[in-house]
Amino acid sequence: KAGVTQTPRYLIKTRGQQVTLSCSPISGHRSVSWYQQTPGQGLQFLFEYFSETQRNKGNFPGRFSGRQFSNSRSEMNVSTLELGDSALYLCASSSGVGLKGYTFGSGTRLTVV
Amino acid sequence: AQKITQTQPGMFVQEKEAVTLDCTYDTSDQSYGLFWYKQPSSGEMIFLIYQGSYDEQNATEGRYSLNFQKARKSANLVISASQLGDSAMYFCAMREFGGTSGSRLTFGEGTQLTVNP
Repeated sequence: KAGVTQTPRYLIKTRGQQVTLSCSPISGHRSVSWYQQTPGQGLQFLFEYFSETQRNKGNFPGRFSGRQFSNSRSEMNVSTLELGDSALYLCASSSGVGLKGYTFGSGTRLTVV
Repeated sequence: AQKITQTQPGMFVQEKEAVTLDCTYDTSDQSYGLFWYKQPSSGEMIFLIYQGSYDEQNATEGRYSLNFQKARKSANLVISASQLGDSAMYFCAMREFGGTSGSRLTFGEGTQLTVNP
C-alpha cells in the first residue's frame, strides 16, 4: 500500500511569490489535513478536507488556502509569501471516520528568501 | 480548548535501557484519542501508538507502550530496550471527536530523545 506522497520535497521561493504544494493520500482515504511546522510555533493545524469539502480550518490568514480533488489528492496554496511562511508543511491522510489512523507524508520544506 | 504539554525538551538514555517521555493533556471532551509520533531529522512523522479515551487497557506496540492515566490526564510513552535508531523528536498529540475542533490533531512541543551507545 503506497504511503502519503507530498511534492515537492524542497522549495525555495521569494517573498511576495505564491506557492502550491501537493499531497496524494493513501488509496481509499478521503480525508487530507495540512499542518505547518516551525521552530517557534511548533506544529499547527491549517485545514482539513474531506470528500472535496473543507471540514475544518485552523487559525491562519486567508493567504493560506487549499482544495481537494475528486481523487482525494489535495493542494495547498500560499499567496504573497512572507519570510515567516518558511516551514515544513506536512500532510496527513486518514479514512475520515473514527478517531484513529492518521498517516503523514514526508513533508515539503519551504524556504522563503 | 484542548492542550498538550510535554515538559521534557530533551531526554538522554543509554542504549538498551528504558525511557519514559511525559505527556499531559487538557480537554473537556469525553471522547478523544491520544497519539505518539516520532519525527527523525528527515521530517516525516511516524505513527507509534494510539490510545482511545474509552480503552480500558494501556496500548502497546512492540517496544512502545502508553501509560494512560485518565484521571491525571497523562499519556506517557514508554520505550523499552532503547536503540540508537530511536534518537529523534517525539510528539504527543490529541484528537478530539466532534465539537468545534472537528478532526484536527493538537500537538505538544515535542521531546528530543538522544540514545547514547
